[in-house]
Amino acid sequence: GQNIDQPTEMTATEGAIVQINCTYQTSGFNGLFWYQQHAGEAPTFLSYNVLDGLEEKGRFSSFLSRSKGYSYLLLKELQMKDSASYLCAVRDQYDSNYQLIWGAGTKLIIKP
Amino acid sequence: DAMVIQNPRYQVTQFGKPVTLSCSQTLNHNVMYWYQQKSSQAPKLLFHYYDKDFNNEADTPDNFQSRRPNTSFCFLDIRSPGLGDAAMYLCATSRKPADSGFSYNEQFFGPGTRLTVL
Repeated sequence: GQNIDQPTEMTATEGAIVQINCTYQTSGFNGLFWYQQHAGEAPTFLSYNVLDGLEEKGRFSSFLSRSKGYSYLLLKELQMKDSASYLCAVRDQYDSNYQLIWGAGTKLIIKP
Repeated sequence: DAMVIQNPRYQVTQFGKPVTLSCSQTLNHNVMYWYQQKSSQAPKLLFHYYDKDFNNEADTPDNFQSRRPNTSFCFLDIRSPGLGDAAMYLCATSRKPADSGFSYNEQFFGPGTRLTVL
């Protein structure tokens, strides 16, 4: 079956670093996305990985290991505005329209 | 700015009273999606349009219908809303996966419509 697992909730301190993990089991693989979603708002695109390794974009980095079915999102220098849910989504290449399989999201709580 | 717009942002309806949610986009994207998202859950794909081709997910209830009269607009009709249909409804767009040079093909979301059923 198709499945994406993320921790339900994490807590971190302002200014610190946090790593949000995502594991996936899908029929095929054609890229992994991370989205940020503030409460009551729509998801916004953060990052995309299709090859193994680390992609860095400012305070946010995303890592992928295709052989392990594993990704993480790394957030540095945490700010209060980073309090949000972080959704991991995988694009299944065997879906004719390349649909996304979504995780339920990790709610990140930042404390002062 | 190019964007995805949803109206209304908040919709209150009565049990069994039909409701229509709208979505428009200025991104000129070929693909449009409707998702249902309940609190602390993953977005659940209801429908998507690949150009004019309509794709209904196998587990989308018959109570939900969709129309895409042109490239820019898409509607979600809920014929007889039940209490279980209360949720955030998200519209999203993307380019076709096969478009050269657009390897990301990430989905761009509208702000969502929060539906309350009384």
